[in-house]
Amino acid sequence: DVKVTQSSRYLVKRTGEKVFLECVQDMDHENMFWYRQDPGLGLRLIYFSYDVKMKEKGDIPEGYSVSREKKERFSLILESASTNQTSMYLCASSFREAVTGELFFGEGSRLTVL
Amino acid sequence: GQNIDQPTEMTATEGAIVQINCTYQTSGFNGLFWYQQHAGEAPTFLSYNVLDGLEEKGRFSSFLSRSKGYSYLLLKELQMKDSASYLCAVMDSNYQLIWGAGTKLIIKP
Repeated sequence: DVKVTQSSRYLVKRTGEKVFLECVQDMDHENMFWYRQDPGLGLRLIYFSYDVKMKEKGDIPEGYSVSREKKERFSLILESASTNQTSMYLCASSFREAVTGELFFGEGSRLTVL
Repeated sequence: GQNIDQPTEMTATEGAIVQINCTYQTSGFNGLFWYQQHAGEAPTFLSYNVLDGLEEKGRFSSFLSRSKGYSYLLLKELQMKDSASYLCAVMDSNYQLIWGAGTKLIIKP
């Protein structure tokens, strides 16, 4: 069974803390994505990666960075967490030629910044 | 700007049929997608339409009209487990997915 695993389901952090969200997929997918999901808004793309060591900014990259040192792992980093980064973070992956757009999502990491 | 509109919430009865609409305005079009997301869970892929017409997959069907910028997801013989949010997304000319805010579907016995 294909799987995208996010390291933490729930996190509570303080303003200014550095936060790491880890995502691992076991499907040998080339593409990996980080989204945030907020009530009343569609999924918003933060960063994505089409290959190891490669990253591209999405629609809302400010305040975030990413790392893709291995094909199966894509990490999202909040260098200095702020309250407006309280959200649900979803990781997703797909094959390179996924023209049908099928993404496989992790179950999400709900981050609260106090 | 790019925009995807779908109703915020809908209620339907177990055993009935419900249609969830999605209208879009995007820079280019490379397909429309429907995902299902149960509360607290990951979104899962339901359907993909790139040509006009109806695609049927069991109890679920998805329709697309590119000229009208319109799609719907049709759920038949509703079951309680169909209670979920349904996300509409369009792939634009840059092959990026633009997402609607989702429609929360509540099924009543």
